[in-house]
Amino acid sequence: AQSVAQPEDQVNVAEGNPLTVKCTYSVSGNPYLFWYVQYPNRGLQFLLKYITGDNLVKGSYGFEAEFNKSQTSFHLKKPSALVSDSALYFCAVSPTTSGTYKYIFGTGTRLKVLA
Amino acid sequence: DADVTQTPRNRITKTGKRIMLECSQTKGHDRMYWYRQDPGLGLRLIYYSFDVKDINKGEISDGYSVSRQAQAKFSLSLESAIPNQTALYFCATSDKTTGNTIYFGEGSWLTVV
Repeated sequence: AQSVAQPEDQVNVAEGNPLTVKCTYSVSGNPYLFWYVQYPNRGLQFLLKYITGDNLVKGSYGFEAEFNKSQTSFHLKKPSALVSDSALYFCAVSPTTSGTYKYIFGTGTRLKVLA
Repeated sequence: DADVTQTPRNRITKTGKRIMLECSQTKGHDRMYWYRQDPGLGLRLIYYSFDVKDINKGEISDGYSVSRQAQAKFSLSLESAIPNQTALYFCATSDKTTGNTIYFGEGSWLTVV
């Protein structure tokens, strides 16, 4: 079965330190990969996506993500965390093999940046 | 103004009542989705529609129905609400011309008592 795993329910990091939020997937073919952020009482906001090309993708708010095909991972990173980055982060995968463009979401990782 | 608008944003309803959540979009996208978010479960797809005449069930469609009234409007109905349908519901849109990025509304909190 196709799936997306976010192994950490919560990640704590000190302000100014680098952060990583992990995502691995089990999907056949060459899926599209996404990261979304959800602030309290808000919808999910698109951060970045990988379709093809350079394995390091840059997105909004200084976030970037590294695609690793051999490890089927798409980890979200930021060099220096801000308190305002505290939110719920979702990894999503869109399989392309069937052409239906459905999305599979991970269960989310809560990021807490400590001042 | 939001590109994907959901109404109502919050609703408390009683068990057995019919409730409709509405979604409208100004993005011009042809694909629309309804998702449900529960803590620890992420987002699960209820229904999706690729155009006005196309309606498809998602992974958790039981107890729900949808209507695609126009390209820009996609409503979700709970015919007889039950407490375990208490959740945060999201409408979303996408379009193959934008690399299949999916865009979400602000969400509708539904509580069934």
